[in-house]
Amino acid sequence: DADVTQTPRNRITKTGKRIMLECSQTKGHDRMYWYRQDPGLGLRLIYYSFDVKDINKGEISDGYSVSRQAQAKFSLSLESAIPNQTALYFCATSDSSGQETQYFGPGTRLLVL
Amino acid sequence: AQSVTQPDIHITVSEGASLELRCNYSYGATPYLFWYVQSPGQGLQLLLKYFSGDTLVQGIKGFEAEFKRSQSSFNLRKPSVHWSDAAEYFCAVGRGNAGKSTFGDGTTLTVKP
Repeated sequence: DADVTQTPRNRITKTGKRIMLECSQTKGHDRMYWYRQDPGLGLRLIYYSFDVKDINKGEISDGYSVSRQAQAKFSLSLESAIPNQTALYFCATSDSSGQETQYFGPGTRLLVL
Repeated sequence: AQSVTQPDIHITVSEGASLELRCNYSYGATPYLFWYVQSPGQGLQLLLKYFSGDTLVQGIKGFEAEFKRSQSSFNLRKPSVHWSDAAEYFCAVGRGNAGKSTFGDGTTLTVKP
């Protein structure tokens, strides 16, 4: 079984709808991250969480919110989806050793019409 | 602030030829440096990392990278490319318990038969 899973893998939604992307991990890591990937723009950090009670904004948090329900679960919500949020979204984890190696999920491809 | 530049958006090499992907970083102290690979439809996977010590690091799949402090570079190399190496490659920089890595925009590698 994969260490970092994301659901759904693909999603089509309409402008204005609320949507939640979910991430679960079995690596036992404290740190979790949400990124979006757009062609030619690499990965941009949306939110990150160093433990259940610690959530921080990344470089592009506007229009997004997150919830860290447990050490193993980190959800990303789009409260009112807009077309320019169409992207590939990745969840990642890392341990708290300071070495920062990140382990990525397979991604969720989101299309907002 | 830390930043990463991957000057080459797209590189094409013939199978069996050597490969070098460039990465330049900006960071105020000795950085942690990473190369990740993203195969089509997959999440990112760590190829190799540099924290300290020997400036030439070996990774998986026959890749290596060399940290050159004087040039602020961490270029990825492989002596003989295989068709399965076709993917997108990301360089990233971070520093210990800051817990956040900054990714470059990626280089897409195409391998010709």
